[in-house]
This record gives sequence, structure tokens and C-alpha cells, in this order.
Amino acid sequence: AQTVTQSQPEMSVQEAETVTLSCTYDTSESDYYLFWYKQPPSRQMILVIRQEAYKQQNATENRFSVNFQKAAKSFSLKISDSQLGDAAMYFCAYRIGGTSYGKLTFGQGTILTVHP
Amino acid sequence: DVKVTQSSRYLVKRTGEKVFLECVQDMDHENMFWYRQDPGLGLRLIYFSYDVKMKEKGDIPEGYSVSREKKERFSLILESASTNQTSMYLCAGGRYNEQFFGPGTRLTVL
Repeated sequence: AQTVTQSQPEMSVQEAETVTLSCTYDTSESDYYLFWYKQPPSRQMILVIRQEAYKQQNATENRFSVNFQKAAKSFSLKISDSQLGDAAMYFCAYRIGGTSYGKLTFGQGTILTVHP
Repeated sequence: DVKVTQSSRYLVKRTGEKVFLECVQDMDHENMFWYRQDPGLGLRLIYFSYDVKMKEKGDIPEGYSVSREKKERFSLILESASTNQTSMYLCAGGRYNEQFFGPGTRLTVL
């Protein structure tokens, strides 16, 4: 079975600084996708960024980027120029490729605090 | 904007009651999911559905059932609520590369 591990229950960062959230996963599959989701306090969870395992290039979305290390099974999220609105719970998630109906396996989550 | 709505934000029920959690999506997505979210455990998949009247067990289906009579609606049923089902329940709809989540229902079973 696939597992996703986020070893940092809580992280904090100063506004305008950079922070990296860690995620490791375990799978024997070669075709899969990785995601970071953001859950702001009392608000709906939204997708931050997505990485296809077959792509060597790391995904980026504005201030958010990932460091995808396939051999190490590591998928970290870097947030640059942190803003107060980045404060949230962040979840790393995995999906097997093919006809999996999009089922996701989530990590435990990391609470990110942004200090002004 | 795509939208997933859940019938209640907060719900308090008694042990042994039958509980219905409703989820509606307006995205015409085939796939819908029910998760529970607990501190330190992340989100765990209870059930999912890939078409009307079709359902599959997730990782923790015990004590739950689901119903999908219409494409836009996916219901989670607790046949006889127990205190260990106190949790946040999240519904999601989506295709392969993104899931859209509802706001969640915080269920307390006394």
C-alpha cells in the first residue's frame, strides 16, 4: 500500500521569507502523481500544485514550487516570499496513475504559521 | 467557480442515531469521495463513487455506507453513530488530476 509521510506537524515562517515543507512517500509504482493541498482555517481545501512523476522538471505555481526527488521518494513544497494568507494546514497527497478514479492518499498535514 | 457543498457545517448526534451527511457538486464530475479528517492522521478515504449507483470502499469503510442516486449528490450514512466517529468529514468531487472539496461537516457524537 502507498503511504505518504509529513514529518513536520508544525512549521513557522516570517512574512516575506521562504519556507520548505517536507513530504516523503512510499510506492512501487512508476506512474503516479503528487499534490500539495492547502486548507486555510475554516475554509475549503484547495489544490496548490501538482507534479507528474514522469516529468523531470519541478512544477512551479507563482510563489510555490516543488523539489521532486523521484529516487529518494521525496516531494517538498517551497513557499517563497511568504504572505499572511499562506497560513494554513498543508497536505501532501499521492495518486496512482491509470484508472484509479483519482483516489488520493494524504499525509498527516503540516500547520504553517506566518508571523508578521 | 466549481462548487461542492455539504448539508451541515456542524452536527451533534447521539450514540446509536442514524446520521446522513449530504454532499452536492455542480461540476458534472463522475467521481465523488468521502474522507474523514483527524488530527495527526490527515485525510482518510471512507468511500468513493465513480458513477451513479456505483461505489467502492476506501481505506476505512467500517461503520459507514454511501448512496449515490444522482450524479451530483453523494451521501454518507452512519447507520448507528458511535463516539469514535466524532470527526471532520470532507466531501470532494473531481476527475483525475484535481479534487474539489466541500467546506466539511464537523460531527460530534455524544
